[in-house]
Amino acid sequence: LAKTTQPISMDSYEGQEVNITCSHNNIATNDYITWYQQFPSQGPRFIIQGYKTKVTNEVASLFIPADRKSSTLSLPRVSLSDTAVYYCLVGDPGRRALTFGSGTRLQVQP
Amino acid sequence: EPEVTQTPSHQVTQMGQEVILRCVPISNHLYFYWYRQILGQKVEFLVSFYNNEISEKSEIFDDQFSVERPDGSNFTLKIRSTKLEDSAMYFCASSSTGVWTEAFFGQGTRLTVV
Repeated sequence: LAKTTQPISMDSYEGQEVNITCSHNNIATNDYITWYQQFPSQGPRFIIQGYKTKVTNEVASLFIPADRKSSTLSLPRVSLSDTAVYYCLVGDPGRRALTFGSGTRLQVQP
Repeated sequence: EPEVTQTPSHQVTQMGQEVILRCVPISNHLYFYWYRQILGQKVEFLVSFYNNEISEKSEIFDDQFSVERPDGSNFTLKIRSTKLEDSAMYFCASSSTGVWTEAFFGQGTRLTVV
């Protein structure tokens, strides 16, 4: 299982773009990269998933360089409601269990 | 939007008692999971369930834990003899395929063992 490393915490202000980078040096060929968001006292929520290059949805963008040893979650124009913990997960889609790390605690201020 | 629902939202129980946490997964989903999160710690995988049997379980999921899908809609987690260290938020999740990343989580049941 690929180990992931991401910053413990980040601070931002409303309206700014936030980029959270995750390092996963030993990612395997079959592994996908997925990001989840968790608000206090709530279950994690799927944000975005990718394998390589760039993926964009209505919430975020995910940038994956060619070597796939890292990935960056980009949140455009954050608001106070984006204050949450963001988790980077790496793993084989054939495996059922999700392995969460400690995540990045994003604090958005007015 | 379909959602996973869990009941109760909060359960207080005495050490040694049995508890059953209940979940209603999204109706067309086939894979069901339980996770737990001790206050201030990581979300931890407990068990996955597919086709009426456990497909994977973690070291945490020992003999005091069991899961069941008693009917076509509910998915339960039973803890036979609760310990203080079982106090945590328990999350149920479901997914429509075996792609592990597309899991939808419920709001959780906060279990407090006293």
